[in-house]
Amino acid sequence: GAGVSQTPSNKVTEKGKYVELRCDPISGHTALYWYRQSLGQGPEFLIYFQGTGAADDSGLPNDRFFAVRPEGSVSTLKIQRTERGDSAVYLCASSLTPGDYGYTFGSGTRLTVV
Amino acid sequence: SQQGEEDPQALSIQEGENATMNCSYKTSINNLQWYRQNSGRGLVHLILIRSNEREKHSGRLRVTLDTSKKSSSLLITASRAADTASYFCATDRAAGNKLTFGGGTRVLVKP
Repeated sequence: GAGVSQTPSNKVTEKGKYVELRCDPISGHTALYWYRQSLGQGPEFLIYFQGTGAADDSGLPNDRFFAVRPEGSVSTLKIQRTERGDSAVYLCASSLTPGDYGYTFGSGTRLTVV
Repeated sequence: SQQGEEDPQALSIQEGENATMNCSYKTSINNLQWYRQNSGRGLVHLILIRSNEREKHSGRLRVTLDTSKKSSSLLITASRAADTASYFCATDRAAGNKLTFGGGTRVLVKP
């Protein structure tokens, strides 16, 4: 597609529920990143994929968070047993050559855990 | 943890004035990037400056990088109301591994 697409744009879930957030990167972009942004703060790194494999998952806060990218394009961020502290905007970005041109971000998914 | 720190945290200027914001970081970098964010959603890439570059221009934007001081500045000249947004610096330590963002500067341009 023309840009990075994230769905849903908003998600409200109850504490303890499981959620999946989807990211559809720009076609051909091998690098894909997930970030989380709390109100009034800068984005915080969660995980980075190069192709199908997670090259760096050091930002995942705990084992309730997991992400996959099985075919090297679409990625899904999965959060189990959601907590109120998980409420944030989850941003996805992709890049072809990030060291040269930077990243293209999606509009994000605003997750609210009630 | 956030590597970059932007200064000031907030900036209010009149249309037509210049806006300058600064970013400091802690570790060595491969490149530094600036992004704009409207309404707390998607970020838009503005400019990337490599560690061996000192200055870069893009339209009304001018970015400088001083690796000896581990700092960068973003200048927006002749600001417009549409420049109202949050601006973030982000450092890349290893050319595409991941970005580490600062807390951002919120810029308000009054018409």
